[in-house]
Order: sequence, then structure tokens, then C-alpha cells
Amino acid sequence: KNEVEQSPQNLTAQEGEFITINCSYSVGISALHWLQQHPGGGIVSLFMLSSGKKKHGRLIATINIQEKHSSLHITASHPRDSAVYICAVSSNYQLIWGAGTKLIIKP
Amino acid sequence: ETGVTQSPTHLIKTRGQQVTLRCSSQSGHNTVSWYQQALGQGPQFIFQYYREEENGRGNFPPRFSGLQFPNYSSELNVNALELDDSALYLCASSPSLAGGPGLNIQYFGAGTRLSVL
Repeated sequence: KNEVEQSPQNLTAQEGEFITINCSYSVGISALHWLQQHPGGGIVSLFMLSSGKKKHGRLIATINIQEKHSSLHITASHPRDSAVYICAVSSNYQLIWGAGTKLIIKP
Repeated sequence: ETGVTQSPTHLIKTRGQQVTLRCSSQSGHNTVSWYQQALGQGPQFIFQYYREEENGRGNFPPRFSGLQFPNYSSELNVNALELDDSALYLCASSPSLAGGPGLNIQYFGAGTRLSVL
């Protein structure tokens, strides 16, 4: 079993829909990261959080430390949000990555 | 644009050869991390350099080695290439070390895609 699990693996939605991507982890962590990877490899850090909730524009990330679970939400989704979204956790001085969720937003 | 540049963007090598990948970190960043991302998988942590010293290493054999220079740019060297080394290699820089990799926001380069034939 992977230490960081994401769901769903693939998600296709219509423009404007509310998107939720989930991340569960089984190890003790000091921080959790959400990152966005566009085709061709470029990775952008979206959030780093260790408790509660963070919001940036249409993106919201939440974490529940007790349940070892985090969610990334996208409101009013747009085709330019199409990318792979990766959850990664900082644990024992290593960054452990989930396999990513491939999101496609259709116009 | 993250300010982190990697070179080359693509590279083809044959099994048994050696390769050097380069990364220029964002200005003011003294920590560089390297990741290997195989096709369809999430990135795997290779190692991190802080102020020219290796600081943290993932489950990669010794034939994966690195360097960080006084200007904080970095190299990843892979000896005796194997077919399974074919992957996207990502470099990320961050502004300071706070207890290890991943505890600061990291800024990623676009990666070097290595194909080993």
C-alpha cells in the first residue's frame, strides 16, 4: 500500500463544476503539499499546509490531521485548470508523493 | 516561470553511459532537491543539497550522485545508466532549510527528460 493515496486517479468535468481531489496518507507528517503539474513536466507548488485550511483564488486546500486526510477544491473550474494535481507529504525529512490526479475540464 | 532552469531539456543515452544534468536555482535559494519521475508515476526524492553539502537522500543507489556549487546551482550525475533510469528528472529550489526536504515551498524547474536505450 502506498503511503500517500490520491483519489480519483482521473477526473473529467465540465467548465464551471466544483472539483474535489482527495489525499490520504498513512505516515506521520510535518506538512502536506499540493502541487500542479502541467503537460511537459512543469510543477508548481500550490499550497503547503500543516493544519486547517488555505485559500488562494479559486483553490482551497484543507487538511484533517487526525484523519490523515486532505482535500483540494477548485471552484468554478476552467479548462486552464486541466493538469495533474499531486499531493505530497513531508515525513522524516523526505517528501513522499502521491501518484497524482489527472484533471480535465471540458469547455 | 519559477526562476529554476534545468538543462538539457531532453537527453538520449545508452545503457552503461554516464550523464550529468544541471540545475540553476532561483536567486536567493540555497537548497536544491532532485526528483525522478517515471512515466505515469509521482516524483521520487533522490537527494537534497544545502550549502554545497548533501542533506537527505532517498532510496537511490550510489551511482546517483550530486554536487552543489557556491552559487547554489547543482548537478545530478548518474553513472552506469540502466534502462529503468529513463524518466523525467526534476530539480527544485527553496529559500532555506527548515528541518529537511519538503518543509519549505519548493520551486520546480521544467525538468530534463532522459531516455536510456
